[in-house]
Amino acid sequence: DIQMTQSPSTLSASVGDRVTITCRASQSISSWLAWYQQKPGKAPNLLIYKASSLESGVPSRFSGSGSGTEFTLTISGLQPDDFASYYCQQYNRSPPTFGGGTKVEIK
Amino acid sequence: QVQLVESGGGVVQPGRSLRLSCVGSGFTFSNFGMHWVRQAPGKGLEWVAVIWSDGNHKYYADSVKDRFTILRDNSKNTLYLQMDSLRVEDTAVYYCARDRPTLVPDLWFDYWGQGTLVTVSS
Repeated sequence: DIQMTQSPSTLSASVGDRVTITCRASQSISSWLAWYQQKPGKAPNLLIYKASSLESGVPSRFSGSGSGTEFTLTISGLQPDDFASYYCQQYNRSPPTFGGGTKVEIK
Repeated sequence: QVQLVESGGGVVQPGRSLRLSCVGSGFTFSNFGMHWVRQAPGKGLEWVAVIWSDGNHKYYADSVKDRFTILRDNSKNTLYLQMDSLRVEDTAVYYCARDRPTLVPDLWFDYWGQGTLVTVSS
């Protein structure tokens, strides 16, 4: 199975900050990567697919980049609604696998 | 609008069985591959199983293979997860999630249900 490693596991930031989360794959996954946001007690919500494609309805302050084994999710201008956990997921090869998650907390 | 609504969770003893359901609406259910994904309390996400749109192909995580069965009834817009020989480590919130409108699933998830909690405990 392809292992996905996210860093950091927890991130403290303030409203308005630019935030970057990194996701690394144990082998090349081309651009077959998705990012999800999850709030406590809620289901995950798709933000980004194919590494950099923004899902319809997702604010443009979210962006994704990368290919191969290293990827980033950037939030440009953190908003109060963005304090949540974020997960990357590879879909290059079955089984689909997730990173361990990054919790974005209020500083 | 797309909706996925799970049901069937609860408390069950180790070794017993449970069947989860997920009803889809707001889209042509029979056109989409469907998945189950679970999340143990305080933990990350784990993919469990996928079924193709026509129901003819099913694949499972190693952790549930030979114990869980994914099924669908396209006439009822319903996805199922039959869980047998349950273990304490199967305790989790189980989400159903939608794939893309292709016969072969892309293995990513654009809509998720709200989840149903399964607790395996004696």
